[in-house]
Amino acid sequence: AQKVTQAQTEISVVEKEDVTLDCVYETRDTTYYLFWYKQPPSGELVFLIRRNSFDEQNEISGRYSWNFQKSTSSFNFTITASQVVDSAVYFCALPADTGFQKLVFGTGTRLLVSP
Amino acid sequence: DAMVIQNPRYQVTQFGKPVTLSCSQTLNHNVMYWYQQKSSQAPKLLFHYYDKDFNNEADTPDNFQSRRPNTSFCFLDIRSPGLGDAAMYLCATRDLRHGGYTFGSGTRLTVV
Repeated sequence: AQKVTQAQTEISVVEKEDVTLDCVYETRDTTYYLFWYKQPPSGELVFLIRRNSFDEQNEISGRYSWNFQKSTSSFNFTITASQVVDSAVYFCALPADTGFQKLVFGTGTRLLVSP
Repeated sequence: DAMVIQNPRYQVTQFGKPVTLSCSQTLNHNVMYWYQQKSSQAPKLLFHYYDKDFNNEADTPDNFQSRRPNTSFCFLDIRSPGLGDAAMYLCATRDLRHGGYTFGSGTRLTVV
């Protein structure tokens, strides 16, 4: 069965620091998608990225970057020069391998960025 | 423009009083999901619809029901809310052809 592990429960940084959120996954699929979502205090889930397992290139979007390592089943997320607005809970997820592929979420990492 | 809309954003209901949460979509996606997210936990799937076919998760309590009268709308009915049902309820849609998920902004339910 699919499983996502986010070992970091909470991370606190000071503004402008770089921070990396870890995600390790287990899957029986040979091809799959991986996702990152941001959940600010208001509660909505904000889509950040979807990565196909075929594509192992790192991706950068502004201050955000993702490092996908298929060999270690990791899909880590780095925020460069963090800002207070980055404070949120971040979830890593992948679709279940059966049925209509509900998203299986990790337990989330709460990021606190202080001024 | 919001593509998955959940109403209301905040809902307060009394213990034991039936409550309905709504979700609508403009994406014409064939799959719709309802997730429950309790404080400091990951979202947990309650059920999903593929078109009109309803699929319940094995551990979803009978107290939770759902209706999908058409492609655009899906409702979550809680027949007799208990204090333990206080949570954020998230609706999501998915187009099976493309694989992307779209979440609504959620309804935060308080039971008093």
